[in-house]
Amino acid sequence: GAVVSQHPSRVICKSGTSVKIECRSLDFQATTMFWYRQFPKQSLMLMATSNEGSKATYEQGVEKDKFLINHASLTLSTLTVTSAHPEDSSFYICSARDPGQGSFFGSGTQLSVL
Amino acid sequence: QKEVEQDPGPLSVPEGAIVSLNCTYSNSAFQYFMWYRQYSRKGPELLMYTYSSGNKEDGRFTAQVDKSSKYISLFIRDSQPSDSATYLCAMRGSNAGNMLTFGGGTRLMVKP
Repeated sequence: GAVVSQHPSRVICKSGTSVKIECRSLDFQATTMFWYRQFPKQSLMLMATSNEGSKATYEQGVEKDKFLINHASLTLSTLTVTSAHPEDSSFYICSARDPGQGSFFGSGTQLSVL
Repeated sequence: QKEVEQDPGPLSVPEGAIVSLNCTYSNSAFQYFMWYRQYSRKGPELLMYTYSSGNKEDGRFTAQVDKSSKYISLFIRDSQPSDSATYLCAMRGSNAGNMLTFGGGTRLMVKP
């Protein structure tokens, strides 16, 4: 299947700093990418839909100024958690859709804010 | 009521057993159906991707979709301890921009 690469896999940072997570589709072009958040033993919660060349669409309750999404190319979307706080600690996962093949996920990023 | 219902388990089976995982849904607009396997602290891995009703087989995995009953299944034959993971069903409508709607996941444990 298609490969979606997500980096970094783990981040530990101090409260107040910003963290950038990258999501790349390696062997296909993805006009749409999705960012999820997952708490332990829970299913994925969609945060936002990232569209190449346009503004992201955020789900209700997700602060767009807190979670900045940039989808500058057909193979790269980034999520920046600005001024991170301990409550932002979570597992973040990106997904990209390969038309006709389904949606593929990155390996996830575990963010720990101290 | 959630759009997609999935028994959270845990489901514990002995090695070699046939595993049946299921999801029900309420939105008749769903056309594409997927099953993902997720190991702890890893991203979901796509196992099966099907369109509309019918069966699809890939190795030890068989996916079934019954749109008339709004019911989908994933069967795992000859289950192995390495199959122990959380299995998520997901589905979406026909529009390419539709987001996926997930079930809550079923935790499977295959005991040696």
